[in-house]
Amino acid sequence: DIQMTQSPSTLSASIGDRVTITCRASQSISSWLAWYRQKPGKAPNLLIYEASSLETGVPSRFSGSGSGTEFTLTISSLQPDDFATYYCQQYNINSGTFGQGTKVEIK
Amino acid sequence: EVQLVESGGGLVQPGGSLRLSCAASGFTFSSYYMTWVRQAPGKGLEWVANINQDGTEKYYVDSVKGRFTISRDNAKNSLYLQMNSLRAEDTAVYYCARHIRGGVFDPWGQGTLVTVSS
Repeated sequence: DIQMTQSPSTLSASIGDRVTITCRASQSISSWLAWYRQKPGKAPNLLIYEASSLETGVPSRFSGSGSGTEFTLTISSLQPDDFATYYCQQYNINSGTFGQGTKVEIK
Repeated sequence: EVQLVESGGGLVQPGGSLRLSCAASGFTFSSYYMTWVRQAPGKGLEWVANINQDGTEKYYVDSVKGRFTISRDNAKNSLYLQMNSLRAEDTAVYYCARHIRGGVFDPWGQGTLVTVSS
């Protein structure tokens, strides 16, 4: 089974900061990687699919990159709405393994 | 508006059974793979099961194989998760979600809480 590892687990940042989260797959997943944001008490929301494609309606401050086994999610200028937990997910039609999550906290 | 609404959660004793439902609206339900994902209290997301458009293909995470069954009724625009032989470690919020773009989950329902405890 493919394992997904995110780093860091927790990140402290201020409004306006540039933030980068890393996700590593235990084997190559090509570009079949998605990123989600989950606010406390809410369901996750899709941000990025196919590693770098921005989902419709998602602000352009979010971007994704990578392929194979290493991927990053970047928030160019952190906004109050972005203090949340972020998950990467490798996906195919048969399964969808998530990383353990990265919590972005207010510094 | 695309909407998914889960129901059926609650408190159940270890070894018991529960059936979750997910009512879909705002899209052609029969055209999409669907999935269940769960989240234990204070923990991360765990994919549980997928089902294809006509219900003939089903996939499960190893920890629920043989205990959980995913199914759907396209006439009722509904997705189900039958959970048997429940364990304390099955305690979680269970979300249903639609597959788009080859396996990405969007949107998600609001979730339903399942608590397995004596």
